[in-house]
Amino acid sequence: EVQLLESGGGLVQPGGSLRLSCSASGFTFSTYFMHWVRQAPGKGLEYVSAITSNGGYTSYADSVKGRFTISRDNSKNTLYLQMSSLRAEDTAVYYCVKDMEVGGKHLLSDCWGQGTLVTVSS
Amino acid sequence: DIQMTQSPSSLSASVGDRVTITCRASQGISNYLAWYQQKPGKVPKLLIYAASTLQSGVPSRFSGSGSGTDFTLTISSLQPEDFATYYCQKYDSAPRTFGQGTKVEIK
Repeated sequence: EVQLLESGGGLVQPGGSLRLSCSASGFTFSTYFMHWVRQAPGKGLEYVSAITSNGGYTSYADSVKGRFTISRDNSKNTLYLQMSSLRAEDTAVYYCVKDMEVGGKHLLSDCWGQGTLVTVSS
Repeated sequence: DIQMTQSPSSLSASVGDRVTITCRASQGISNYLAWYQQKPGKVPKLLIYAASTLQSGVPSRFSGSGSGTDFTLTISSLQPEDFATYYCQKYDSAPRTFGQGTKVEIK
């Protein structure tokens, strides 16, 4: 069974840092693109970041570029999101999502973690 | 970056109604458009990709169309389990932006 389990969320002060982890199982993690998506309380979905299977290419939403870093450790089947210079507007549930490749393009599959809540507040 | 705009933001409909949701891209994205359904407290579910391809297991009352900049999601006969929020998302290139969502509520 494919599973994604996020951890690392919590309460952090504005300007602080946090590292989220996503532990993957049930599939060959090292062969998949992976994504982070977030959802602020009561708000819509916001795409955050993506990383290729070997970690060689990453992309970010403009809202997090320069502050967040996505990475992965394929030997540990784990995806990371290092977040720094956090702002109140970064408060959200963060989901890691397994990729679905169609025709050479990458979109979100039906496999999402349960999410981890990040709250940025003083 | 390309912006994705959905309309309406919300709608009220009755069981059995035909419902159409529109998604517009600020620039052409070919057919690299997906639709997701999210119910309260749940993670999103992929309904349609490549603008019109139904994901496995999704009921045939859902359909998608469009190409370029204008896309639609249609529910041919709304069922009680379809009351949810629907999102479009472009995936032609990074960033894979979502629309703001359309909440489908019971009339």
